[in-house]
Amino acid sequence: DGGITQSPKYLFRKEGQNVTLSCEQNLNHDAMYWYRQDPGQGLRLIYYSQIVNDFQKGDIAEGYSVSREKKESFPLTVTSAQKNPTAFYLCASSPFAGASATEAFFGQGTRLTVV
Amino acid sequence: KNQVEQSPQSLIILEGKNCTLQCNYTVSPFSNLRWYKQDTGRGPVSLTIMTFSENTKSNGRYTATLDADTKQSSLHITASQLSDSASYICVVSTINTGTASKLTFGTGTRLQVTL
Repeated sequence: DGGITQSPKYLFRKEGQNVTLSCEQNLNHDAMYWYRQDPGQGLRLIYYSQIVNDFQKGDIAEGYSVSREKKESFPLTVTSAQKNPTAFYLCASSPFAGASATEAFFGQGTRLTVV
Repeated sequence: KNQVEQSPQSLIILEGKNCTLQCNYTVSPFSNLRWYKQDTGRGPVSLTIMTFSENTKSNGRYTATLDADTKQSSLHITASQLSDSASYICVVSTINTGTASKLTFGTGTRLQVTL
């Protein structure tokens, strides 16, 4: 069953703690993305990766970190430096980052709440 | 600044009725335009993707139009069903040479279909 899987679905974090959100895809896609979704706003790009061992900052990378050690995996760490981390986080992948009309597939999201 | 604006913000219609959602964009250079459906608490799912040369595309009861000259798109839903209740997000893609394609997201139209 091909797809993109995010875990956990819900995550609670105490202030000052780092947490890592998982994103795995078995679609053999080159590119992977992390977005943040807040009420009343469009999705905003945090980080993206075009190939293994390479990633680039998006529009709101401060307070976040990522790694891309394997093609299938693109975990996102929300650090204590992120001042407003409570949000819905979406991971996506697409076949080839540079192509034009390639489809982007999204995971089911992780809702992070800071308590 | 690249922007995607959607209207209306929210819409309530009776089951069986038709509706049209609007999307205006100022993204440049334009690569393609996508419409996604997002159920509450889930990841977006693609409905259509259109390139510059396409001005209409259908996916079942969903029909998207694109006017690249006026930079407008619409999503028409025919014979609405309760399961159409969701947020509909317009996404415009631009290609930056040598980098991943950049997606600009609208804030979505929240559609509620009632009995």
